[in-house]
Amino acid sequence: DAGVIQSPRHEVTEMGQEVTLRCKPISGHDYLFWYRQTMMRGLELLIYFNNNVPIDDSGMPEDRFSAKMPNASFSTLKIQPSEPRDSAVYFCASSLRRGGWYEQYFGPGTRLTVT
Amino acid sequence: AQKVTQAQTEISVVEKEDVTLDCVYETRDTTYYLFWYKQPPSGELVFLIRRNSFDEQNEISGRYSWNFQKSTSSFNFTITASQVVDSAVYFCALSEGRISSGSARQLTFGSGTQLTVLP
Repeated sequence: DAGVIQSPRHEVTEMGQEVTLRCKPISGHDYLFWYRQTMMRGLELLIYFNNNVPIDDSGMPEDRFSAKMPNASFSTLKIQPSEPRDSAVYFCASSLRRGGWYEQYFGPGTRLTVT
Repeated sequence: AQKVTQAQTEISVVEKEDVTLDCVYETRDTTYYLFWYKQPPSGELVFLIRRNSFDEQNEISGRYSWNFQKSTSSFNFTITASQVVDSAVYFCALSEGRISSGSARQLTFGSGTQLTVLP
């Protein structure tokens, strides 16, 4: 089975530009998570969805960040306008709730550089 | 509030040595889950193990073993006879137990330990 797919793997953009990161979760999984990894702050949860509905977006840093999940097989994380401090690796993860627990399976990440 | 501490930022060992990665956690919950993830140089996060707070049995999987001790709030990870391919950043993570319907258990990650295994 294919794992979580993220695109692009690398993105370099200039400050002020709009950036869109994409994620395809594992088929059948009902939770989708967006994380950001930086040297300073480590791994942070930004937002997660359950059955395509955003449940908790308290980790989204500011209004420049937005995330959508129009269907069960696709999600986007958008930054508009981008700033150099947004440079990080962004991970998408998905999981299936079975009984009391589930494991989160991570995608390969998108390395974003904002110059 | 939950917290995971991985005090070892970097560890270097020579191939075939045993190495233990420490993880200390803090939580007010009586039910919780602990995890280890591996992040190799390629960057992806690979799930290694999940333990719940009611199961303190140590676990062994090949060269990997995990020692969970509630008395010291620790969940340490040992690699026996390390290999160069074990070189990676290893993350310990914690999640609370009780959640409301529809919510997900959120992972709180430690800062990671960079393990380098030298040939």
